[in-house]
Amino acid sequence: GDSVTQMEGPVTLSEEAFLTINCTYTATGYPSLFWYVQYPGEGLQLLLKATKADDKGSNKGFEATYRKETTSFHLEKGSVQVSDSAVYFCALLTNAGKSTFGDGTTLTVKP
Amino acid sequence: SQTIHQWPATLVQPVGSPLSLECTVEGTSNPNLYWYRQAAGRGLQLLFYSVGIGQISSEVPQNLSASRPQDRQFILSSKKLLLSDSGFYLCARNSGNQETQYFGPGTRLLVL
Repeated sequence: GDSVTQMEGPVTLSEEAFLTINCTYTATGYPSLFWYVQYPGEGLQLLLKATKADDKGSNKGFEATYRKETTSFHLEKGSVQVSDSAVYFCALLTNAGKSTFGDGTTLTVKP
Repeated sequence: SQTIHQWPATLVQPVGSPLSLECTVEGTSNPNLYWYRQAAGRGLQLLFYSVGIGQISSEVPQNLSASRPQDRQFILSSKKLLLSDSGFYLCARNSGNQETQYFGPGTRLLVL
């Protein structure tokens, strides 16, 4: 079946540091790929997405590129802020409309 | 609009009591709807999904059931709650082209 594997956390960075959270997937067909963010006590917000190979999703300084050859969708940000502290989920959505999520990576950014 | 409403926002229930969580959506008709559960510190587990009124698919065997009595209403139920039913329950819908999934604000359930 489909699966998503995320880099285990927690990840702790200083403000303005570079962020990478790795995500790899296994799926049949050509899924869409997503990063969601969950701030403390809140639901999931869509951060960015890519719907086909080589697409780059970007939002709020975060980026991720759909790499079909390595089945990856790593999340990056050049300079993190304290307000970026949250749990980040990588996910895929198949053509059949079913999602599979990674276990989430907790990011803490210290001033 | 992709608005998804869930209620209640939080719920504390004793073991053995019944449960009913409601999700309603706005926007296009006949959306695919989903119930997920997030246990503390864990990722999301898909519980049920529905592609239309009265159509429910269960992903994992469990103590819960789902119903879709109206096009934009999705209900999660239990006759007798277990301690292990505690968690954060999220309702979701897909966009019309099935390329994006949107989530509601969630319901926090604590079973004591």
